[in-house]
Amino acid sequence: AQSVTQPDIHITVSEGASLELRCNYSYGATPYLFWYVQSPGQGLQLLLKYFSGDTLVQGIKGFEAEFKRSQSSFNLRKPSVHWSDAAEYFCAVGAPGNKLVFGAGTILRVKS
Amino acid sequence: DSGVTQTPKHLITATGQRVTLRCSPRSGDLSVYWYQQSLDQGLQFLIQYYNGEERAKGNILERFSAQQFPDLHSELNLSSLELGDSALYFCASSTLGTSLGASYNEQFFGPGTRLTVL
Repeated sequence: AQSVTQPDIHITVSEGASLELRCNYSYGATPYLFWYVQSPGQGLQLLLKYFSGDTLVQGIKGFEAEFKRSQSSFNLRKPSVHWSDAAEYFCAVGAPGNKLVFGAGTILRVKS
Repeated sequence: DSGVTQTPKHLITATGQRVTLRCSPRSGDLSVYWYQQSLDQGLQFLIQYYNGEERAKGNILERFSAQQFPDLHSELNLSSLELGDSALYFCASSTLGTSLGASYNEQFFGPGTRLTVL
């Protein structure tokens, strides 16, 4: 069965510092991979997605993610974090039948 | 704004009651998905409908049911509510019901309905 692991429940970074959120997936075939962000009291917004091709994908709000098949990873990165990036981030894999399987989420706190 | 609407935004009810959550997909989308986000279970897929028919089932309790109507809106019915059913319920929609190759059918999420069972 498909699964997604986000090893970090909470991460705190200083404003202006770089960010990397980890995501590992388990899936037999070539995965469809996603990162979503959820701000407090809000719905889910898609940051970026990987279907095939270039393993470094660019998303909205200055985020990027790199697909590494050998490590079954799809880590999210941002070179310089802004206070408005504080939110919960979810990695997800597209499973058969088009449903999404989500990780447990990583809560990002930004120190000023 | 994803184009997916959900009503109501908030719902407060008592144990043992029954509620209905409503979702209108993006214009042209045939597939609707329901997800539950709770503190202990995280974000979980419940059920998917495609053009009025059930397409896939996830961790949906027998007390829960859903349907998709001819106008493609969907309702999620939750009955005999328990305290543990308190959660954020998301609806998502996509154009088709499945994905092939590099052509993934992206899901667009609504703002959610927050259910509180007292």
